Amino acid sequence: DAGVIQSPRHEVTEMGQEVTLRCKPISGHNSLFWYRQTMMRGLELLIYFNNNVPIDDSGMPEDRFSAKMPNASFSTLKIQPSEPRDSAVYFCASSLKRGLGELFFGEGSRLTVL
Amino acid sequence: AQSVAQPEDQVNVAEGNPLTVKCTYSVSGNPYLFWYVQYPNRGLQFLLKYITGDNLVKGSYGFEAEFNKSQTSFHLKKPSALVSDSALYFCAVDTGTASKLTFGTGTRLQVTL
Repeated sequence: DAGVIQSPRHEVTEMGQEVTLRCKPISGHNSLFWYRQTMMRGLELLIYFNNNVPIDDSGMPEDRFSAKMPNASFSTLKIQPSEPRDSAVYFCASSLKRGLGELFFGEGSRLTVL
Repeated sequence: AQSVAQPEDQVNVAEGNPLTVKCTYSVSGNPYLFWYVQYPNRGLQFLLKYITGDNLVKGSYGFEAEFNKSQTSFHLKKPSALVSDSALYFCAVDTGTASKLTFGTGTRLQVTL
């Protein structure tokens, strides 16, 4: 299995631009999670999906952030417009069994907003 | 609200010596506890978990953790550290119903020769 695949691995953009991060979960996994990691705030859960349905988006910082999961094999996290404080590593993770199963993380997308 | 505390930012240990990385938790209800490891520029990798049963849990790469309900702790241990164990270690807690893993701030383990 290829594991969780995220793209791009690195993104540098100007403030105000739209950023789209992509994730392909492990085939057969039915839960998908988006996390953000920064030095200041550590690892934060932004949103998670179960069977392609958003279950909890209380961690999404503000309306500039949105996430979609149109099918079981693809999810996007969009930031529009981006701001320098959005600079972070964004991780996607998937799991087979909600609640009891371990999460499998992608390699992350490092976002730098200038 | 559930929370996890990792009181040490960094733990230093010599190769061959035992290591302990500390974790305490706070939840309402029964905790599901996890340890993850992160190598530089990589995603987190699952090490082990406690859901129920034996308080001593064995995981990958020779790591183990002991669940202590009275002290609300779940410390990670290894009898003999390796230089290759050097990484960032995260403790996490969930109650199973919310499916929201709450991670600690991480502890950097540095193993030297």
